[in-house]
Amino acid sequence: GDSVTQMEGPVTLSEEAFLTINCTYTATGYPSLFWYVQYPGEGLQLLLKATKADDKGSNKGFEATYRKETTSFHLEKGSVQVSDSAVYFCALRDGGATNKLIFGTGTLLAVQP
Amino acid sequence: ETGVTQSPTHLIKTRGQQVTLRCSSQSGHNTVSWYQQALGQGPQFIFQYYREEENGRGNFPPRFSGLQFPNYSSELNVNALELDDSALYLCASSVGERTGGSEAFFGQGTRLTVV
Repeated sequence: GDSVTQMEGPVTLSEEAFLTINCTYTATGYPSLFWYVQYPGEGLQLLLKATKADDKGSNKGFEATYRKETTSFHLEKGSVQVSDSAVYFCALRDGGATNKLIFGTGTLLAVQP
Repeated sequence: ETGVTQSPTHLIKTRGQQVTLRCSSQSGHNTVSWYQQALGQGPQFIFQYYREEENGRGNFPPRFSGLQFPNYSSELNVNALELDDSALYLCASSVGERTGGSEAFFGQGTRLTVV
Protein backbone atom coordinates (compact mmCIF):
# COMPACT_ATOMS: atom_id res chain seq x y z
CA GLY A 1 0.00 0.00 0.00
CA ASP A 2 0.89 3.66 -0.06
CA SER A 3 3.50 4.83 2.43
CA VAL A 4 5.74 7.74 3.43
CA THR A 5 9.30 7.50 4.73
CA GLN A 6 10.99 10.37 6.54
CA MET A 7 14.51 10.82 7.79
CA GLU A 8 14.77 10.01 11.46
CA GLY A 9 15.42 12.70 13.99
CA PRO A 10 16.12 14.49 16.03
CA VAL A 11 17.68 17.10 13.81
CA THR A 12 19.58 19.67 15.86
CA LEU A 13 20.67 22.90 14.17
CA SER A 14 21.97 26.28 15.18
CA GLU A 15 19.90 29.35 14.41
CA GLU A 16 20.28 30.55 10.77
CA ALA A 17 21.48 27.13 9.58
CA PHE A 18 20.11 25.48 6.44
CA LEU A 19 17.48 22.80 6.95
CA THR A 20 16.70 19.73 4.88
CA ILE A 21 14.30 17.01 5.99
CA ASN A 22 14.09 14.15 3.53
CA CYS A 23 10.80 12.55 2.57
CA THR A 24 10.12 9.83 0.02
CA TYR A 25 6.84 8.16 -0.81
CA THR A 26 5.38 5.07 -2.39
CA ALA A 27 2.02 5.39 -4.12
CA THR A 28 0.20 3.60 -6.90
CA GLY A 29 -1.61 6.67 -8.19
CA TYR A 30 -0.86 10.38 -8.35
CA PRO A 31 -0.94 11.60 -4.75
CA SER A 32 -1.01 15.08 -3.36
CA LEU A 33 1.84 15.73 -0.95
CA PHE A 34 1.89 17.72 2.26
CA TRP A 35 4.12 18.87 5.08
CA TYR A 36 2.47 19.34 8.46
CA VAL A 37 4.05 20.83 11.59
CA GLN A 38 3.20 19.97 15.19
CA TYR A 39 4.32 22.29 17.96
CA PRO A 40 4.53 20.92 21.51
CA GLY A 41 1.11 20.17 22.95
CA GLU A 42 -0.73 21.15 19.80
CA GLY A 43 -2.46 19.53 16.84
CA LEU A 44 -1.19 19.50 13.28
CA GLN A 45 -0.93 22.58 11.11
CA LEU A 46 -0.55 22.45 7.35
CA LEU A 47 2.79 23.97 6.39
CA LEU A 48 2.72 23.53 2.62
CA LYS A 49 1.38 21.29 -0.13
CA ALA A 50 1.87 20.27 -3.76
CA THR A 51 -0.73 18.54 -5.87
CA LYS A 52 1.17 17.47 -8.99
CA ALA A 53 4.65 16.68 -10.22
CA ASP A 54 7.12 19.59 -10.31
CA ASP A 55 4.86 21.77 -8.15
CA LYS A 56 6.69 23.68 -5.44
CA GLY A 57 4.91 24.35 -2.18
CA SER A 58 6.15 27.19 -0.01
CA ASN A 59 5.18 28.93 3.22
CA LYS A 60 6.98 30.86 5.98
CA GLY A 61 10.35 30.38 4.25
CA PHE A 62 9.90 26.61 3.91
CA GLU A 63 9.85 24.99 0.47
CA ALA A 64 9.34 21.51 -0.96
CA THR A 65 9.21 20.34 -4.59
CA TYR A 66 7.15 17.36 -5.77
CA ARG A 67 9.66 15.14 -7.59
CA LYS A 68 7.88 12.28 -9.33
CA GLU A 69 11.05 10.82 -10.83
CA THR A 70 12.61 10.34 -7.39
CA THR A 71 9.27 10.03 -5.49
CA SER A 72 10.47 12.66 -3.08
CA PHE A 73 9.18 15.79 -1.35
CA HIS A 74 12.09 17.09 0.73
CA LEU A 75 11.49 20.03 3.05
CA GLU A 76 14.01 22.89 3.01
CA LYS A 77 14.52 26.22 4.71
CA GLY A 78 17.42 28.53 4.13
CA SER A 79 17.72 29.94 7.65
CA VAL A 80 15.97 28.32 10.61
CA GLN A 81 14.86 30.10 13.75
CA VAL A 82 14.38 28.88 17.30
CA SER A 83 10.63 29.23 16.75
CA ASP A 84 10.82 26.55 14.01
CA SER A 85 11.50 23.90 16.66
CA ALA A 86 8.71 21.34 16.24
CA VAL A 87 7.91 17.93 14.78
CA TYR A 88 7.50 17.89 11.00
CA PHE A 89 5.36 15.29 9.23
CA CYS A 90 5.40 14.46 5.56
CA ALA A 91 2.10 13.09 4.27
CA LEU A 92 0.33 12.02 1.11
CA ARG A 93 -3.27 11.83 0.02
CA ASP A 94 -3.90 9.30 -2.72
CA GLY A 95 -6.97 10.91 -4.25
CA GLY A 96 -9.06 7.81 -3.64
CA ALA A 97 -12.48 7.54 -2.12
CA THR A 98 -11.63 9.50 1.02
CA ASN A 99 -9.52 12.41 2.19
CA LYS A 100 -7.31 9.96 4.07
CA LEU A 101 -3.81 11.22 4.80
CA ILE A 102 -0.91 8.80 5.16
CA PHE A 103 1.81 10.22 7.40
CA GLY A 104 5.45 9.54 7.93
CA THR A 105 6.74 8.98 11.45
CA GLY A 106 7.74 12.61 11.91
CA THR A 107 11.07 14.38 12.33
CA LEU A 108 11.83 16.38 15.45
CA LEU A 109 13.68 19.62 14.72
CA ALA A 110 15.46 21.39 17.56
CA VAL A 111 16.96 24.80 16.78
CA GLN A 112 19.44 26.19 19.27
CA PRO A 113 20.14 29.92 19.67
CA GLU B 1 -14.96 31.38 11.64
CA THR B 2 -14.28 28.86 14.39
CA GLY B 3 -11.63 26.19 14.08
CA VAL B 4 -11.81 22.50 14.88
CA THR B 5 -12.37 21.90 18.58
CA GLN B 6 -12.04 18.63 20.45
CA SER B 7 -13.11 17.59 23.92
CA PRO B 8 -11.94 16.62 26.39
CA THR B 9 -8.28 17.58 26.07
CA HIS B 10 -7.08 14.85 28.41
CA LEU B 11 -8.70 11.67 29.65
CA ILE B 12 -7.66 8.74 31.83
CA LYS B 13 -9.58 5.47 31.55
CA THR B 14 -9.21 1.98 32.91
CA ARG B 15 -8.65 -1.04 30.67
CA GLY B 16 -11.97 -2.52 29.58
CA GLN B 17 -13.90 0.74 29.87
CA GLN B 18 -15.54 2.64 27.05
CA VAL B 19 -14.74 6.21 25.96
CA THR B 20 -16.36 8.86 23.78
CA LEU B 21 -14.36 11.68 22.23
CA ARG B 22 -15.99 14.68 20.57
CA CYS B 23 -15.13 16.95 17.69
CA SER B 24 -16.73 20.10 16.34
CA SER B 25 -15.75 20.67 12.74
CA GLN B 26 -14.77 23.99 11.25
CA SER B 27 -17.65 26.11 9.99
CA GLY B 28 -18.67 25.07 6.48
CA HIS B 29 -16.89 21.71 6.61
CA ASN B 30 -18.95 18.55 6.03
CA THR B 31 -16.25 15.90 6.34
CA VAL B 32 -14.60 14.69 9.53
CA SER B 33 -11.69 12.28 9.81
CA TRP B 34 -10.24 10.72 12.95
CA TYR B 35 -6.60 9.76 13.49
CA GLN B 36 -4.72 7.97 16.25
CA GLN B 37 -1.22 9.23 17.01
CA ALA B 38 0.80 6.96 19.29
CA LEU B 39 3.74 8.50 21.10
CA GLY B 40 6.62 9.19 18.71
CA GLN B 41 4.64 8.08 15.67
CA GLY B 42 2.77 9.69 12.82
CA PRO B 43 -1.04 9.84 12.88
CA GLN B 44 -2.86 6.73 11.64
CA PHE B 45 -6.21 7.06 9.84
CA ILE B 46 -9.11 5.53 11.77
CA PHE B 47 -12.13 6.51 9.65
CA GLN B 48 -13.86 9.33 7.82
CA TYR B 49 -17.45 10.58 7.92
CA TYR B 50 -19.07 12.48 5.08
CA ARG B 51 -22.61 13.79 5.48
CA GLU B 52 -23.27 11.53 8.47
CA GLU B 53 -22.07 8.32 6.84
CA GLU B 54 -18.78 6.46 7.24
CA ASN B 55 -17.09 6.43 3.85
CA GLY B 56 -13.64 5.08 4.63
CA ARG B 57 -11.92 3.12 7.36
CA GLY B 58 -8.35 2.34 8.28
CA ASN B 59 -6.96 -0.80 9.88
CA PHE B 60 -8.76 -0.50 13.21
CA PRO B 61 -11.02 -3.09 14.88
CA PRO B 62 -14.80 -2.69 15.10
CA ARG B 63 -14.58 -1.58 18.72
CA PHE B 64 -13.58 1.78 17.22
CA SER B 65 -16.80 3.35 15.99
CA GLY B 66 -18.09 6.80 15.24
CA LEU B 67 -20.95 9.09 14.46
CA GLN B 68 -21.43 12.30 12.56
CA PHE B 69 -24.37 14.55 13.41
CA PRO B 70 -26.47 16.81 11.14
CA ASN B 71 -24.35 19.80 12.20
CA TYR B 72 -21.29 17.78 11.05
CA SER B 73 -19.83 17.44 14.53
CA SER B 74 -18.57 13.95 15.29
CA GLU B 75 -17.89 11.41 18.02
CA LEU B 76 -15.31 8.67 18.24
CA ASN B 77 -16.25 5.77 20.50
CA VAL B 78 -13.84 3.11 21.67
CA ASN B 79 -15.14 0.05 23.53
CA ALA B 80 -13.21 -2.43 25.65
CA LEU B 81 -10.21 -0.15 26.01
CA GLU B 82 -6.76 -1.70 25.82
CA LEU B 83 -3.47 -0.30 27.07
CA ASP B 84 -2.31 0.15 23.45
CA ASP B 85 -5.21 2.54 22.84
CA SER B 86 -3.28 5.17 24.81
CA ALA B 87 -2.56 7.88 22.24
CA LEU B 88 -3.39 11.35 21.00
CA TYR B 89 -6.64 11.24 19.02
CA LEU B 90 -6.88 13.89 16.33
CA CYS B 91 -9.93 15.07 14.48
CA ALA B 92 -9.65 16.79 11.11
CA SER B 93 -12.35 18.54 9.13
CA SER B 94 -12.48 19.38 5.46
CA VAL B 95 -14.88 20.07 2.64
CA GLY B 96 -16.17 17.37 0.35
CA GLU B 97 -15.80 13.63 0.17
CA ARG B 98 -12.80 13.60 -2.13
CA THR B 99 -11.04 16.89 -2.36
CA GLY B 100 -7.62 16.03 -3.64
CA GLY B 101 -5.24 18.68 -2.41
CA SER B 102 -7.65 20.69 -0.27
CA GLU B 103 -6.64 21.37 3.28
CA ALA B 104 -7.65 19.32 6.30
CA PHE B 105 -7.80 21.39 9.49
CA PHE B 106 -6.83 19.55 12.65
CA GLY B 107 -7.99 20.03 16.19
CA GLN B 108 -5.69 20.10 19.21
CA GLY B 109 -6.39 16.47 19.97
CA THR B 110 -7.52 14.43 22.97
CA ARG B 111 -4.79 12.72 24.95
CA LEU B 112 -6.20 9.36 26.10
CA THR B 113 -4.35 7.34 28.72
CA VAL B 114 -5.51 3.81 29.47
CA VAL B 115 -4.29 2.35 32.76
